[in-house]
Amino acid sequence: KNEVEQSPQNLTAQEGEFITINCSYSVGISALHWLQQHPGGGIVSLFMLSSGKKKHGRLIATINIQEKHSSLHITASHPRDSAVYICAVRRGAQKLVFGQGTRLTINP
Amino acid sequence: NAGVTQTPKFQVLKTGQSMTLQCAQDMNHNSMYWYRQDPGMGLRLIYYSASEGTTDKGEVPNGYNVSRLNKREFSLRLESAAPSQTSVYFCASWVGQGSQPQHFGDGTRLSIL
Repeated sequence: KNEVEQSPQNLTAQEGEFITINCSYSVGISALHWLQQHPGGGIVSLFMLSSGKKKHGRLIATINIQEKHSSLHITASHPRDSAVYICAVRRGAQKLVFGQGTRLTINP
Repeated sequence: NAGVTQTPKFQVLKTGQSMTLQCAQDMNHNSMYWYRQDPGMGLRLIYYSASEGTTDKGEVPNGYNVSRLNKREFSLRLESAAPSQTSVYFCASWVGQGSQPQHFGDGTRLSIL
C-alpha cells in the first residue's frame, strides 16, 4: 500500500462545478503539499499545510492531522484548472513522498 | 527569475550510453533533489543534497550518480543507460527549512532505446 493515496485518480467535470480531490496518508508527517502539474509538464506548488485550512483564490486546502487526510477544493471550476494535482507529504527533515496524482479535466 | 533550470529538455540515448543531466537554481537554496516520474506512479526521489558538499540516496538510486558541484548546481549522471531509466526527470530545490515549498524545474524527458 502506498504511503500517500489520492482519490479519485481521474475526474471529469463541467465548468462551474465544485471540485474535491482527496489525499490520505499512513505515516507521520511534518507538512503536506499540494502541487499542480499542467499538460506541458511543469510542476508548481499550490499549498503547504501543517494544520487547518488555506485559501488562495478559488483554491482551498484543508488538512485533518488526526484523520491523516487532506482535501483540495476548487470552486467555480474553469477549463484552465485542467491539470494533474499531486499530494505530497514531508517525512523527516528533507524528503517528500508523493501520491500518484489526480488528473482533472474541466469541460466548457 | 529563472528559478530552477534543467538541461537538456529532451534526450534520446542508446542502451549503454552515458549522460549527465544538469540542474541549476538561482534562489540560494540549500537543498536540491532529483526525481523521476513514470506513468501511473508518483514522483520518486533518486538522490538529494541537503547542503553543499553532501548527497544522500533516495528511494530509487540504483544506476545513478550525483554531484553537488556548488550551492547552485546539482547534476545527475547515468553511467550506462538502461531502458528502465526511460522517464521524465525533475530537479527541485528547497530553502531547506521552514514553510517554503520546493521549486521544480521543467523536467527532462529521457528515452533509452
